[in-house]
Amino acid sequence: ETGVTQTPRHLVMGMTNKKSLKCEQHLGHNAMYWYKQSAKKPLELMFVYNFKEQTENNSVPSRFSPECPNSSHLFLHLHTLQPEDSALYLCASSQEDTGLAGGPYNEQFFGPGTRLTVL
Amino acid sequence: GQQLNQSPQSMFIQEGEDVSMNCTSSSIFNTWLWYKQDPGEGPVLLIALYKAGELTSNGRLTAQFGITRKDSFLNISASIPSDVGIYFCGAGGSRLTFGEGTQLTVNP
Repeated sequence: ETGVTQTPRHLVMGMTNKKSLKCEQHLGHNAMYWYKQSAKKPLELMFVYNFKEQTENNSVPSRFSPECPNSSHLFLHLHTLQPEDSALYLCASSQEDTGLAGGPYNEQFFGPGTRLTVL
Repeated sequence: GQQLNQSPQSMFIQEGEDVSMNCTSSSIFNTWLWYKQDPGEGPVLLIALYKAGELTSNGRLTAQFGITRKDSFLNISASIPSDVGIYFCGAGGSRLTFGEGTQLTVNP
């Protein structure tokens, strides 16, 4: 496997279900990101992890719970979602997150996304 | 908050035509980026711009970082069917703001 992979690619869940999205990067990067992409709307940053530590939570509801056990893996645990949470969830990685220091852009490499539908 | 206004929202063109799209903002940014997203895939970086006034090419693609640092454009010359997809701009630093995207359709 190369690059950034995400599983599952498609997920349909009810509002009372608990599910998890998985992201894995094979690029030797130290920063990982979760984005939400809704139709006709800009990409929304959700969470950032740098060297396994969370460095950004962009006011995301608690029904989304991220986990980063190591620099190569990132999870997004989902619980009691709403229909408006249906979207494409994209994972990305970069060499390092310099966001807190207001640093320069490090190229982010995106995975293919998980298409989530909440019924 | 910071916002990028991207236009047009969609374009329908004939193969061989040139394409131009742009992003503007009321905020100043130090980096402008252009991505392409194919159906069912994640975004892929096409061009990154780091200096005001910079003009950069990547094959048939050319992008410029506006001199005011508040805008950028992307041109595609001699379009081909595989250019179909969503193009969107991003700007910022380690934290990026994104445009809404331009859906490009190329008719053979």
